[in-house]
Amino acid sequence: ETGVTQSPTHLIKTRGQQVTLRCSSQSGHNTVSWYQQALGQGPQFIFQYYREEENGRGNFPPRFSGLQFPNYSSELNVNALELDDSALYLCASSSGQGGRQFIGELFFGEGSRLTVL
Amino acid sequence: RKEVEQDPGPFNVPEGATVAFNCTYSNSASQSFFWYRQDCRKEPKLLMSVYSSGNEDGRFTAQLNRASQYISLLIRDSKLSDSATYLCVVNMLNTGNQFYFGTGTSLTVIP
Repeated sequence: ETGVTQSPTHLIKTRGQQVTLRCSSQSGHNTVSWYQQALGQGPQFIFQYYREEENGRGNFPPRFSGLQFPNYSSELNVNALELDDSALYLCASSSGQGGRQFIGELFFGEGSRLTVL
Repeated sequence: RKEVEQDPGPFNVPEGATVAFNCTYSNSASQSFFWYRQDCRKEPKLLMSVYSSGNEDGRFTAQLNRASQYISLLIRDSKLSDSATYLCVVNMLNTGNQFYFGTGTSLTVIP
């Protein structure tokens, strides 16, 4: 067990809808990053939050947004869902100074599997 | 061009065999390197970090060649429990401390 929990574990949405995925980071970790993993692919970096601020973003459109809360838990929001958004969404927590130095091992949650119909 | 390239396999090997996975990365500014393991329908977990001097953890040996931008993982005496997908991962501080994952290499160890 990594201590990183994600919810919901599975969900089904239709095109155009919005979704919010949640992640509780491991105790003591101040950095949370989100990844999208399509079937047969490696995880793709969406963005990273360090102390409630986004400090890194991958090649994802603005309809992918997020938040980090004072307790370091995080949300990923996706608006105007498209069929290609169907994937496993992974949250990873880690400790360190985010953007300034190597932040060490990533501890992943079990993911939220999103299906868009 | 992808930041990290891996041969997706699949690799099917008998128990006891030695198998090697390779990975290349495109950005010479990459700073940290890892192998993660992902079991079917599970989350990735760190297998080992990769250092320039090479490092070994039991049956697993990782190597890094910065000049060639090449990373390898060697598994000796394969066990059935080694069956998984192995993800090559690169970290770059100059792009917001992002971790870039390869597509993964699938390994099945056959009895």
